[in-house]
Amino acid sequence: AQSVAQPEDQVNVAEGNPLTVKCTYSVSGNPYLFWYVQYPNRGLQFLLKYITGDNLVKGSYGFEAEFNKSQTSFHLKKPSALVSDSALYFCAVRDGDNFNKFYFGSGTKLNVKP
Amino acid sequence: ETGVTQTPRHLVMGMTNKKSLKCEQHLGHNAMYWYKQSAKKPLELMFVYNFKEQTENNSVPSRFSPECPNSSHLFLHLHTLQPEDSALYLCASSLGLAGAGGNTDTQYFGPGTRLTVL
Repeated sequence: AQSVAQPEDQVNVAEGNPLTVKCTYSVSGNPYLFWYVQYPNRGLQFLLKYITGDNLVKGSYGFEAEFNKSQTSFHLKKPSALVSDSALYFCAVRDGDNFNKFYFGSGTKLNVKP
Repeated sequence: ETGVTQTPRHLVMGMTNKKSLKCEQHLGHNAMYWYKQSAKKPLELMFVYNFKEQTENNSVPSRFSPECPNSSHLFLHLHTLQPEDSALYLCASSLGLAGAGGNTDTQYFGPGTRLTVL
């Protein structure tokens, strides 16, 4: 079955420290992987995506994500967190065999404290 | 602003009411989507339209009826809903569906409609 797992409901980090938000996936075919961010009372905003090529993908606002095929993971990272990064983060995967199918994780709330 | 607007932003309705959610995108995209977002659950893809044609119905109950009159507009007609249908309903659009390369399949989301069914 196709799925996306975000094992942490919440991640707390101090401003200036590195952050990691975890994501693992299960999908048929080659995965198309995405990260989105949702600020309060707003829709989701695209951060970055992986289709093929370099396993380290750079995206908006200084975020990057590392694709690991053997671990079926696509963790989101940032070297130095900002208070303004506090939001809800969603990992998503597009089914490589059926491009109509899009699966999201349940979201991870990132709290960055000053 | 992402270029995708949704109205109304909030809606309260009884189980016997009929209402509609509206989504409009000003991005020149060809694909549009409806999602349901419930607290602490994964976003659920409901419907996908590409060039006004429905390409995906993710086993959504018939009390939800989508309509896509053109590539810029998407509606979700609601009737005889249940309290468990209360959620944030998100609309999104993309240039196309995956497989066309580049950022074709990057989705842009509207702010959502917060629906409460009494």
